[in-house]
Amino acid sequence: TQLLEQSPQFLSIQEGENLTVYCNSSSVFSSLQWYRQEPGEGPVLLVTVVTGGEVKKLKRLTFQFGDARKDSSLHITAAQPGDTGLYLCAGSPNPNAGGTSYGKLTFGQGTILTVHP
Amino acid sequence: DAGITQSPRHKVTETGTPVTLRCHQTENHRYMYWYRQDPGHGLRLIHYSYGVKDTDKGEVSDGYSVSRSKTEDFLLTLESATSSQTSVYFCAISSPRDTFQETQYFGPGTRLLVL
Repeated sequence: TQLLEQSPQFLSIQEGENLTVYCNSSSVFSSLQWYRQEPGEGPVLLVTVVTGGEVKKLKRLTFQFGDARKDSSLHITAAQPGDTGLYLCAGSPNPNAGGTSYGKLTFGQGTILTVHP
Repeated sequence: DAGITQSPRHKVTETGTPVTLRCHQTENHRYMYWYRQDPGHGLRLIHYSYGVKDTDKGEVSDGYSVSRSKTEDFLLTLESATSSQTSVYFCAISSPRDTFQETQYFGPGTRLLVL
């Protein structure tokens, strides 16, 4: 079973601060995704990273996939109250492990981010 | 937004009663999933379907069964609800035709309380 350890579990910061959320595993993933979830709603995809060492930017959010495709990070610059929410990383199994994944994902425990005005 | 609806959105039931949750999609996506979300556990896969009448177990399938008789509907049944099944349940869909087949689109969730 592939596991994803996400840290920190909780993050409470002031508007304008920077932050980083980490997602780590001992397993290799073919791709890794980051989702954001607001209270009362389902998760919504932010980004997918597939290549080791890949960096993607989405406005103030920067996503990085580790060289060995076992870990990822999400960095937010100058956080705003609108960034408040639950952030989830999710990994897709390595196809070299055999079988068909049927699109299944392994999710981390999530990071609850609160940005205070 | 992907066309995914879940019903009911909220339910309160008693221990030992059967409960069925419905997920309906209008996207004609082949893959469908049921997750439960509990504090500190992220999303855990209960069951998934890779086609009509094709289903398999996820990591937390005990006490749950599923059925998929049509592409658009995926039902999750708790045969005899227990308090440990109090949770928020999410349905998701994905398509092998997508660039990233693992991109999942989620429904709004069903909040279930078992007393």
